[in-house]
Amino acid sequence: DQQVKQNSPSLSVQEGRISILNCDYTNSMFDYFLWYKKYPAEGPTFLISISSIKDKNEDGRFTVFLNKSAKHLSLHIVPSQPGDSAVYFCAAKEMADKLIFGTGTRLQVFP
Amino acid sequence: DSGVTQTPKHLITATGQRVTLRCSPRSGDLSVYWYQQSLDQGLQFLIQYYNGEERAKGNILERFSAQQFPDLHSELNLSSLELGDSALYFCASSLALGSGELFFGEGSRLTVL
Repeated sequence: DQQVKQNSPSLSVQEGRISILNCDYTNSMFDYFLWYKKYPAEGPTFLISISSIKDKNEDGRFTVFLNKSAKHLSLHIVPSQPGDSAVYFCAAKEMADKLIFGTGTRLQVFP
Repeated sequence: DSGVTQTPKHLITATGQRVTLRCSPRSGDLSVYWYQQSLDQGLQFLIQYYNGEERAKGNILERFSAQQFPDLHSELNLSSLELGDSALYFCASSLALGSGELFFGEGSRLTVL
């Protein structure tokens, strides 16, 4: 039972354009949502998060949007840079700090 | 560098064997988490410890066990290994409960032949 789904395994975007990564969830009890970025041979690193009581959180080039009614969140990267090329994991938090991760979306930003 | 150290980085063993993966959390972090990432899968939550006590449990097999020691380092023990246990095992740590912001190590890649 996949409670957090990232239906696009990969995404290719031109440098300077917007990257939009999507994530869907099924459990309405999730209270916090996070995005992690992972480069090859490294562990995931925290990128940005949003509480379930908000619908938008922005940090520099990164913005996360939450649509609770649709159980959907998205990560926008504007403008995209080649260094953003990585695998992005969406995660949702239950009580007791248990993070449920999606399967990831591989983003490639080309010049 | 996240500050979380995992050893060994790579491990190759045979079916039926037992291995121990070690994790040193960031200095001061009280929580340690273990995740498993199999091929083309997301990170599957295994177990969490907070200050030496088990706090949350995920889909951890009975053949697997973990503990957190008084110095806060943690070990994940995998026994009676099967081919399907081949995966990348990540340890993560956090200072406070509730934020969801975890700091991950580079992982231990286990290959079972």
